[in-house]
Amino acid sequence: AQSVTQPDIHITVSEGASLELRCNYSYGATPYLFWYVQSPGQGLQLLLKYFSGDTLVQGIKGFEAEFKRSQSSFNLRKPSVHWSDAAEYFCAARPAGNNRKLIWGLGTSLAVNP
Amino acid sequence: GAGVSQSPSNKVTEKGKDVELRCDPISGHTALYWYRQRLGQGLEFLIYFQGNSAPDKSGLPSDRFSAERTGESVSTLTIQRTQQEDSAVYLCASSLNTEDPPLHFGNGTRLTVT
Repeated sequence: AQSVTQPDIHITVSEGASLELRCNYSYGATPYLFWYVQSPGQGLQLLLKYFSGDTLVQGIKGFEAEFKRSQSSFNLRKPSVHWSDAAEYFCAARPAGNNRKLIWGLGTSLAVNP
Repeated sequence: GAGVSQSPSNKVTEKGKDVELRCDPISGHTALYWYRQRLGQGLEFLIYFQGNSAPDKSGLPSDRFSAERTGESVSTLTIQRTQQEDSAVYLCASSLNTEDPPLHFGNGTRLTVT
């Protein structure tokens, strides 16, 4: 079955430290991949997306993600975390060419220590 | 420009009552989605509208749930005879068309059934 797994439920990092949030997918073919952020009391916001081509994609707020087909992964990274990055992060995937149902991970909650 | 607008932002209702949630998508967006997000969970697909096509209702959890959309504009999600397990944040999202992910989300309606 198609699925998206975020292995880390909760992560705490210090401000200024680097960050990597993991995402693995299980699909028959390479899906479209997305990372969203949900800040407290706010709606979901798209950070970045991967459809095809360059496997390293740049997003907003200094985030990037790398698609690795061999590992079925699409990990989110940021070289230096800011306190305002504390939020819930969701990885999502959908089959290429079908926009009907995004499959979502359960999310990773990020806390940032001053 | 205006984003996806949902109302009300919060709704408290008694068990057994009916509720209606509203979503105003971004103008010109033909695709509209409803998701449910329970506390600490990922997003659960409920229903999808695309233009004049028959909606994809495969995610609706029971016959107490229904949704309508008027053309390519407003959508309403109705929950009849609410139960406590219906308590969640209900998110609406819209997209330009099926070939234009990702989705643009509203801030959601937080439903509490007492």
